[in-house]
Amino acid sequence: AQSVTQLDSQVPVFEEAPVELRCNYSSSVSVYLFWYVQYPNQGLQLLLKYLSGSTLVESINGFEAEFNKSQTSFHLRKPSVHISDTAEYFCAVSRNDYKLSFGAGTTVTVRA
Amino acid sequence: ETGVTQSPTHLIKTRGQQVTLRCSSQSGHNTVSWYQQALGQGPQFIFQYYREEENGRGNFPPRFSGLQFPNYSSELNVNALELDDSALYLCASSLGGVREAFFGQGTRLTVV
Repeated sequence: AQSVTQLDSQVPVFEEAPVELRCNYSSSVSVYLFWYVQYPNQGLQLLLKYLSGSTLVESINGFEAEFNKSQTSFHLRKPSVHISDTAEYFCAVSRNDYKLSFGAGTTVTVRA
Repeated sequence: ETGVTQSPTHLIKTRGQQVTLRCSSQSGHNTVSWYQQALGQGPQFIFQYYREEENGRGNFPPRFSGLQFPNYSSELNVNALELDDSALYLCASSLGGVREAFFGQGTRLTVV
């Protein structure tokens, strides 16, 4: 069984500062890795995903995540955040392209 | 806009009642998965339907049941509602696996 641990439940950050959200997973087999974002009262939006190939994946809005197999981690980073990045972020894993197993989420609050 | 629509967006039910939630999948998608997201937690996998057949189930009791129709839309039914069933219910549609899954906006169920 897979489990996902998001190491920070809340991350306050000032606008234009960098942010890192940490995600570790446990699995004995290869997995697909995802980061989703959830704005208040909305569903989940896919931010980025790692399926195979380059271990560094990027999103169109400046986020990036690096897959580290030896540390079983998939941390999410953004070099400069905006107020609009305030949201809940979920790390998720999937084995065999089947169901998604989510972490508990990290609340990012960006302050001016 | 993902093309996955859920209805209703909100509803309030009384303990012991039954509820049906609906999900219209994105055009061309033959797989629908349902997730329960309790307040302050990550989504939990309920079950998945592929071409009208249940294709796997999470750790939820039998009073959680579902259907998928020939047009691949889906319903989630919950009988004998309990207070702990209060949550955001999310459906995700995909063409096969979760690598290309898209989530709807969710249905917020409150059980009183």
